[in-house]
Amino acid sequence: NAGVTQTPKFRILKIGQSMTLQCTQDMNHNYMYWYRQDPGMGLKLIYYSVGAGITDKGEVPNGYNVSRSTTEDFPLRLELAAPSQTSVYFCASRGDGGGGYTFGSGTRLTVV
Amino acid sequence: AQSVTQLGSHVSVSEGALVLLRCNYSSSVPPYLFWYVQYPNQGLQLLLKYTSAATLVKGINGFEAEFKKSETSFHLTKPSAHMSDAAEYFCAVTPTGANSKLTFGKGITLSVRP
Repeated sequence: NAGVTQTPKFRILKIGQSMTLQCTQDMNHNYMYWYRQDPGMGLKLIYYSVGAGITDKGEVPNGYNVSRSTTEDFPLRLELAAPSQTSVYFCASRGDGGGGYTFGSGTRLTVV
Repeated sequence: AQSVTQLGSHVSVSEGALVLLRCNYSSSVPPYLFWYVQYPNQGLQLLLKYTSAATLVKGINGFEAEFKKSETSFHLTKPSAHMSDAAEYFCAVTPTGANSKLTFGKGITLSVRP
């Protein structure tokens, strides 16, 4: 059971480039989340999804987009990368019964 | 709305000493509360969770936390620190209900001295 898988693990982007961070879970969870982690700031919610075809903004959505065409996949799209998007990105999922999230191992993104 | 306050950014203890990491929360509805641990260059791992059952919650690696509604606190403790406990610890809160989202504190880095 792989849990939540994120790719890539590391990426360096140039300002203005775009990329997609991939997130896949194999637990049949309806709820999925994208967070970014910055030093001393904890984790901030970017976008979330309560099921296939349904997404909504979190606390810091600007500069990002998401889609949820299947239960398993929840990719995060960065358009026109900026240095402020340098961060570690975590994808997470949870089941319908509430409780804790299962996190992926993260993607470390640097924008130069 | 909900929020979490973790006072201080760094705690240092000696190996074998008591670990106490503080967490206070604010929530307009009854909350679920969590502690997560993050080892260097890894994702977050669930240590323990409070979901309105027993107020004293036991987790992995010898950690436990007590939910105190009157103090709006959910402090994490471990009787005897081990070198392997050195990591960053995050407290998180979510309101009960289907469409809930976790709100995290800023995290506390625990160092363990030999």
